[in-house]
Amino acid sequence: GENVEQHPSTLSVQEGDSAVIKCTYSDSASNYFPWYKQELGKGPQLIIDIRSNVGEKKDQRIAVTLNKTAKHFSLHITETQPEDSAVYFCAASTGTASKLTFGTGTRLQVTL
Amino acid sequence: DVKVTQSSRYLVKRTGEKVFLECVQDMDHENMFWYRQDPGLGLRLIYFSYDVKMKEKGDIPEGYSVSREKKERFSLILESASTNQTSMYLCASSLMGTGPQYFGPGTRLTVT
Repeated sequence: GENVEQHPSTLSVQEGDSAVIKCTYSDSASNYFPWYKQELGKGPQLIIDIRSNVGEKKDQRIAVTLNKTAKHFSLHITETQPEDSAVYFCAASTGTASKLTFGTGTRLQVTL
Repeated sequence: DVKVTQSSRYLVKRTGEKVFLECVQDMDHENMFWYRQDPGLGLRLIYFSYDVKMKEKGDIPEGYSVSREKKERFSLILESASTNQTSMYLCASSLMGTGPQYFGPGTRLTVT
């Protein structure tokens, strides 16, 4: 089955700096890659997603890049703010009944 | 907006008890999922359902069962709760096919 690895497990950046979280996947048939943000005491919330026919997608300060050849995808957050502090999860899906395989999460802390 | 609700935010049960966790979604989604979330392990799929009365095992189904009698409701059942089932339980739903899953706020279950 699919295996998703996520790095780093923790990341501390200063406000205004950029943050990058990287994930690799094992199943070359995977074709959908969402990113979730989980704040304390809440369920994960979708922040951005990308499909395998696209190499990059941006939404304001957030961007995701996908390298199908290397089987990795990354989340980029620019101009970080304290409210970006949360746990971020990547996931991959092969499209079978929308099943997702999640990475183990990255705890991002944005310091003032 | 998609809304996924879970019956309890916090639950404390004793070893051996039968436990029911309820999840309801209001967006007419075909797919529903149950995950457990543990530190350092990310989200792991317990069971999912792609239609009423249909269910499929996820990655860690042992000790759990599910029920889906109506499209909007998906129940997770712990037949005989054990301490190693202490965890955060997350429900999600999605449309048929590959796409985003929408999560509820989670139920933190403690088994003593």
